[in-house]
Amino acid sequence: GAVVSQHPSRVICKSGTSVKIECRSLDFQATTMFWYRQFPKQSLMLMATSNEGSKATYEQGVEKDKFLINHASLTLSTLTVTSAHPEDSSFYICSADPGTSVYNEQFFGPGTRLTVL
Amino acid sequence: AQSVTQLDSQVPVFEEAPVELRCNYSSSVSVYLFWYVQYPNQGLQLLLKYLSGSTLVESINGFEAEFNKSQTSFHLRKPSVHISDTAEYFCAVSVDNQGGKLIFGQGTELSVKP
Repeated sequence: GAVVSQHPSRVICKSGTSVKIECRSLDFQATTMFWYRQFPKQSLMLMATSNEGSKATYEQGVEKDKFLINHASLTLSTLTVTSAHPEDSSFYICSADPGTSVYNEQFFGPGTRLTVL
Repeated sequence: AQSVTQLDSQVPVFEEAPVELRCNYSSSVSVYLFWYVQYPNQGLQLLLKYLSGSTLVESINGFEAEFNKSQTSFHLRKPSVHISDTAEYFCAVSVDNQGGKLIFGQGTELSVKP
């Protein structure tokens, strides 16, 4: 149980285009989903926290107009990188919290490798 | 604010040797502590966690970590590593009143050589 999927696993796009990444909790409902960004050989940096049906909470320094997050249902959150540029190339990882544990356990997706040419 | 420091960015070790990956954290409130493992081009998998109670926690694949409150540490150990343990290991903390946000350390690359 507690499987989180991401789609696509890899995407290559041209500079200036927008890319949508989906994060799904397959066998549970996620009250909260998180989006992280990971540069090569570096740690995960939390970008934003999204709760179903409400606006995402962005971390300091993350452009909300650049990284659009939608959490339309309890099993799906999407991250759209708008007008992508080469510096947006990164590994994007989502996680989902079923809200059933005392410590807000997160289950992680396999990640999406974005390359912007 | 909380922070996590993993003191070693890379740890090379020979197969069947013991290993310790160090993690120190900073927090003015009680935290939950985690170790995650990441294999190449994959997401994170929870290895073990400390919530409360016994300060020594174990994983199913032989890793263990000990919570030391006085030293604010949560070092990860394994008495005998395998080639398959080669991966990136992340230490993380979360705080009860921050909605489950995880603060990650910089990661330690464990490289097990034959």
